[in-house]
Amino acid sequence: AQSVTQPDIHITVSEGASLELRCNYSYGATPYLFWYVQSPGQGLQLLLKYFSGDTLVQGIKGFEAEFKRSQSSFNLRKPSVHWSDAAEYFCAVGEVNTNAGKSTFGDGTTLTVKP
Amino acid sequence: GAGVSQSPRYKVAKRGQDVALRCDPISGHVSLFWYQQALGQGPEFLTYFQNEAQLDKSGLPSDRFFAERPEGSVSTLKIQRTQQEDSAVYLCASSGGGRLFFGSGTQLSVL
Repeated sequence: AQSVTQPDIHITVSEGASLELRCNYSYGATPYLFWYVQSPGQGLQLLLKYFSGDTLVQGIKGFEAEFKRSQSSFNLRKPSVHWSDAAEYFCAVGEVNTNAGKSTFGDGTTLTVKP
Repeated sequence: GAGVSQSPRYKVAKRGQDVALRCDPISGHVSLFWYQQALGQGPEFLTYFQNEAQLDKSGLPSDRFFAERPEGSVSTLKIQRTQQEDSAVYLCASSGGGRLFFGSGTQLSVL
């Protein structure tokens, strides 16, 4: 069965600093990988996804992620964090035969941004 | 509507009460998913529909949980005889273009 681990429960960065959120997955085949962001009281918004091809994926709001098969990782990065990026971030792996709709999520990383 | 709509936004139930949670997916989306998100955790898969067919219900925690989508559009998640451990946010999502579109969820509190 697939699983997703987000090792960092909570991360604090200063506004303007760079950010990296870690994600490790376990999946039997080539995975469909996602990063979502969730603000309080809101549903999840897709930041970016990886299905195949270029292992460096660009997303919305200036985020990017790199798929590294050898490390089973899909870390999320942003070069300069804005105060509005404070939220909960979830990594997920989707089952191919459901067009990635049936997904396994990590427990999330809470991002706090210091002024 | 433009997005996935869920109602009610909040639901408080007494233990033992039955509840029904509604999801209106994005128009034209064939696949619909229900997830449960406990406090401080990531969403967990409950069940999946393609049109009106329930293709996977492996995530439903017990036989008190029941979902339907009779006409292939609106879906209802029903929980019978609610218990405190059912307290969570219930998220609905529909899929298109290889991605999920989530609603804002229904926060269920069982007292």
